[in-house]
Amino acid sequence: AQTVTQSQPEMSVQEAETVTLSCTYDTSESDYYLFWYKQPPSRQMILVIRQEAYKQQNATENRFSVNFQKAAKSFSLKISDSQLGDAAMYFCAYNRNYGQNFVFGPGTRLSVLP
Amino acid sequence: DTAVSQTPKYLVTQMGNDKSIKCEQNLGHDTMYWYKQDSKKFLKIMFSYNNKELIINETVPNRFSPKSPDKAHLNLHINSLELGDSAVYFCASSQDRRGQLHFGNGTRLTVT
Repeated sequence: AQTVTQSQPEMSVQEAETVTLSCTYDTSESDYYLFWYKQPPSRQMILVIRQEAYKQQNATENRFSVNFQKAAKSFSLKISDSQLGDAAMYFCAYNRNYGQNFVFGPGTRLSVLP
Repeated sequence: DTAVSQTPKYLVTQMGNDKSIKCEQNLGHDTMYWYKQDSKKFLKIMFSYNNKELIINETVPNRFSPKSPDKAHLNLHINSLELGDSAVYFCASSQDRRGQLHFGNGTRLTVT
């Protein structure tokens, strides 16, 4: 079974600085998708960024970018120019191609300090 | 305009009662899900339906019964509620089996 690990239960970053959240996963599949979701205190689940495993290029969305290392099964999220509104739980998730079971990591709580 | 909507947002009930949570999506997606988020924020899949057909049924007590009258709706009925059922329940949908999950806003269930 696939597993997703986030080794940092909590992280903090100063406003305007950069922070990197770690994620590793375990799978025997070669074709899959990886995601980062953000959950603010409102509990809404918001997609931050998505990466297809067959693409070597790292995905970017404005201030958010990933470092996808397929061989190492690592998928870290970098947040640049951190803003107060970035404070939230961040979940890494995996879904194999044509899969219907998105597996989530345990989450990292990010605090942004003014 | 809400893509995935679930009701109610909050549900407070006593042990032993039966309750339902409703979910509807207007995205035209084929696959719908129920996830449970516990007090430690851990998200775990409960059920997955594709075109009204049950695809995934994780180790969930049979007091939980999903019902999908059509591919736009996936309701969750819970019998004989227990204290341990207290959690946030998320409905979600996805397209093409490769797309992202689109979540509802969650239902916080509190069993007293």
